[in-house]
Amino acid sequence: QQPVQSPQAVILREGEDAVINCSSSKALYSVHWYRQKHGEAPVFLMILLKGGEQKGHEKISASFNEKKQQSSLYLTASQLSYSGTYFCGPPKNQAGTALIFGKGTTLSVSS
Amino acid sequence: EPEVTQTPSHQVTQMGQEVILRCVPISNHLYFYWYRQILGQKVEFLVSFYNNEISEKSEIFDDQFSVERPDGSNFTLKIRSTKLEDSAMYFCASSEVGGSLRNEQFFGPGTRLTVL
Repeated sequence: QQPVQSPQAVILREGEDAVINCSSSKALYSVHWYRQKHGEAPVFLMILLKGGEQKGHEKISASFNEKKQQSSLYLTASQLSYSGTYFCGPPKNQAGTALIFGKGTTLSVSS
Repeated sequence: EPEVTQTPSHQVTQMGQEVILRCVPISNHLYFYWYRQILGQKVEFLVSFYNNEISEKSEIFDDQFSVERPDGSNFTLKIRSTKLEDSAMYFCASSEVGGSLRNEQFFGPGTRLTVL
């Protein structure tokens, strides 16, 4: 069952902040976040693991609440390059290989 | 920086024809994946592949689909007897190790398949 993302779309001006949420009705063991620009491949942003461990390489932060089965992506002081569709993709199960993506949140940043 | 490559970038085919989509995963990666994205919709998992075997597949990946690693570098997705609803962007991905719990998957640029 796919995770639910909110909001569906966000419009920002440069420098503004945004929060994108991802929730699941099933247990979350970790959460992957990807960003996809129009016509391009999804690009890995970060993985959030149980216990607070986080793997990522961009100036974007995130949280993972295992009990609430939720993750949030925080985009602070947004830049034009942040525009795109953000997908959360928790693993289908604890031992498998598949990522199950949400429908995505489209972020538009203008100057 | 190493990247996943895919060919062709766009494939147009007639309904009922067979197509083969090609991918070259990152060289030291051992796990390979195919995902698809119907226009405007979410990315959907099709199949994962390790050690010349399918590790996991989704309900979408039925007998119409097959995957193969024909040599040491290529990874292919074959779609037999294409249908209109197979029109989508097909992404290949690879990861160094398996287990989606902790390991990032790197996506290729995709092949847009159009079935007429």
